[in-house]
Amino acid sequence: ETGVTQTPRHLVMGMTNKKSLKCEQHLGHNAMYWYKQSAKKPLELMFVYNFKEQTENNSVPSRFSPECPNSSHLFLHLHTLQPEDSALYLCASSQAPGLAGPTGELFFGEGSRLTVL
Amino acid sequence: DAKTTQPNSMESNEEEPVHLPCNHSTISGTDYIHWYRQLPSQGPEYVIHGLTSNVNNRMASLAIAEDRKSSTLILHRATLRDAAVYYCILRVPRDDKIIFGKGTRLHILP
Repeated sequence: ETGVTQTPRHLVMGMTNKKSLKCEQHLGHNAMYWYKQSAKKPLELMFVYNFKEQTENNSVPSRFSPECPNSSHLFLHLHTLQPEDSALYLCASSQAPGLAGPTGELFFGEGSRLTVL
Repeated sequence: DAKTTQPNSMESNEEEPVHLPCNHSTISGTDYIHWYRQLPSQGPEYVIHGLTSNVNNRMASLAIAEDRKSSTLILHRATLRDAAVYYCILRVPRDDKIIFGKGTRLHILP
């Protein structure tokens, strides 16, 4: 149990579906992250939120839409995805870097494995 | 962004020490060196970090070269549960962009 919970753990969707991934952290952190991990590729940073404000969008296509209603919850809304978007989507949280300095270690969830048909 | 270079894979025998190297020749004076590992079917987990001095914690030790251009993660007595991908990352203070490389896949032989 890492304190970061992701749901669903597995998701299969068609290219025309709309679905959402949910992440919840119980660690009192201020920063939350979405990463994508495709087979045989490094983790790719997608989005960063600090105190509910988006501070990083790593050139992610608009078919991925993040939402951070409060510091404990992060969503990734998915629509019109492509088969190449199939991957493990990992959520992480940390103390906001400005507060914790360089030691703000990331705590990851177990991921949501997405398959796009 | 300063980058790190790690071997793609390494092997070690169970109950022996493991030394995982990382090169970061373009590191700047304020970059911290962080290590994470990712066990099979799990998200990455923090292992250890340091700036200039060697560091120890319950999971591992971190040895940092005097010129800071390289570092070594040391697992003192590897177990089968230490089989994972180990990532060496440079952290810029107050920067929330945390970039992972390919890491080193560590295989532990029984």
